[in-house]
Amino acid sequence: GNSVTQMEGPVTLSEEAFLTINCTYTATGYPSLFWYVQYPGEGLQLLLKATKADDKGSNKGFEATYRKETTSFHLEKGSVQVSDSAVYFCALFGGATNKLIFGTGTLLAVQP
Amino acid sequence: GAVVSQHPSWVICKSGTSVKIECRSLDFQATTMFWYRQFPKQSLMLMATSNEGSKATYEQGVEKDKFLINHASLTLSTLTVTSAHPEDSSFYICSAIAGGRGPGVDGYTFGSGTRLTVV
Repeated sequence: GNSVTQMEGPVTLSEEAFLTINCTYTATGYPSLFWYVQYPGEGLQLLLKATKADDKGSNKGFEATYRKETTSFHLEKGSVQVSDSAVYFCALFGGATNKLIFGTGTLLAVQP
Repeated sequence: GAVVSQHPSWVICKSGTSVKIECRSLDFQATTMFWYRQFPKQSLMLMATSNEGSKATYEQGVEKDKFLINHASLTLSTLTVTSAHPEDSSFYICSAIAGGRGPGVDGYTFGSGTRLTVV
């Protein structure tokens, strides 16, 4: 079945450092891919998405490219800020079921 | 954009009592809503899928008699935790998809979550 594998955290970075959070997926067909962000005590917010191969999703300085050849959707940001500290979830939608499948989440802590 | 309101944001209840959590789509009709449970430092566990006007579909291992889901209208789904016990303490999150729109359009829209503490 469909699944998402996400790098384990926590990831601790200094402000202005480069961020990469790895995400790979297993799916039949052509799924849509998402990154969600969860700030402390809150629900999830859609950060970015890509619906087909080679699409690049971007938002708030974050980017992720849908790589079908490597089945990956890694999240990157060139210069993180303290306000980026949150849990990031990679997610996949595809197949016959109308369900969103999440990775385990990666906690990002950015220190000043 | 689409907004989902979840209420209450936190609740404390006594063991043995029931608690109802509401999930409302404010500016769109949600034919399908989802309920998730999140344990500390863990990912989201899908509990059930509710479709307006029909019975909810529960994931394996989720007690349907414990977690009652009602989706009586296109803008409201409720989750009732019956006879709550301390092990039911968790963060519950709902999400919704607008009718006729796939998640590839806007993704799922999530509520802000409800922190349930059973004492």
